[in-house]
Amino acid sequence: KNQVEQSPQSLIILEGKNCTLQCNYTVSPFSNLRWYKQDTGRGPVSLTIMTFSENTKSNGRYTATLDADTKQSSLHITASQLSDSASYICVVSSGGYQKVTFGTGTKLQVIP
Amino acid sequence: DVKVTQSSRYLVKRTGEKVFLECVQDMDHENMFWYRQDPGLGLRLIYFSYDVKMKEKGDIPEGYSVSREKKERFSLILESASTNQTSMYLCASSLSPYYEQYFGPGTRLTVT
Repeated sequence: KNQVEQSPQSLIILEGKNCTLQCNYTVSPFSNLRWYKQDTGRGPVSLTIMTFSENTKSNGRYTATLDADTKQSSLHITASQLSDSASYICVVSSGGYQKVTFGTGTKLQVIP
Repeated sequence: DVKVTQSSRYLVKRTGEKVFLECVQDMDHENMFWYRQDPGLGLRLIYFSYDVKMKEKGDIPEGYSVSREKKERFSLILESASTNQTSMYLCASSLSPYYEQYFGPGTRLTVT
């Protein structure tokens, strides 16, 4: 069964600090992996997408990494801001409409 | 910018009522999706549609039906609402299964 597991479930950090969120998956075959940011009461918004051949991709202060051999991805947030407080969801696709598996998310709280 | 709108942000219905949730996208996307999101379970696919009048069951279609009469509009119908259908419902659209899904703001449905 395809699964996406994220850790930690929740995280509190001080404003300005860095943090790293983890995503392990057992989805096969692999097509792509996305990280979404979901603000409270809002729909998710895509941050990055990574395909099999990519191992690092950045979007401003967000940097995603992918190790396709170990089936792990991480999302690193640099110099966190209060607006980074949100849930971060890892989503892995194996191609096709029904073959998208969502992780349960990491809830990040950035405090002043 | 892609815009996906949902008819209501909050909805309270009684057990046994028929409930309609509507979703409209303005980017001429072929594919539209309905998910529900529950704490600890992540997003789960209820139904999707890859063309007008076409629909496919997702992972948890029981108790739901959908309608897509026009390309831009995708409706989710709860035939007879039950308390276990209390949830956040998210609509999304995309150009293809391999492309980013754009989400609406969500409808928080409470069934009493």
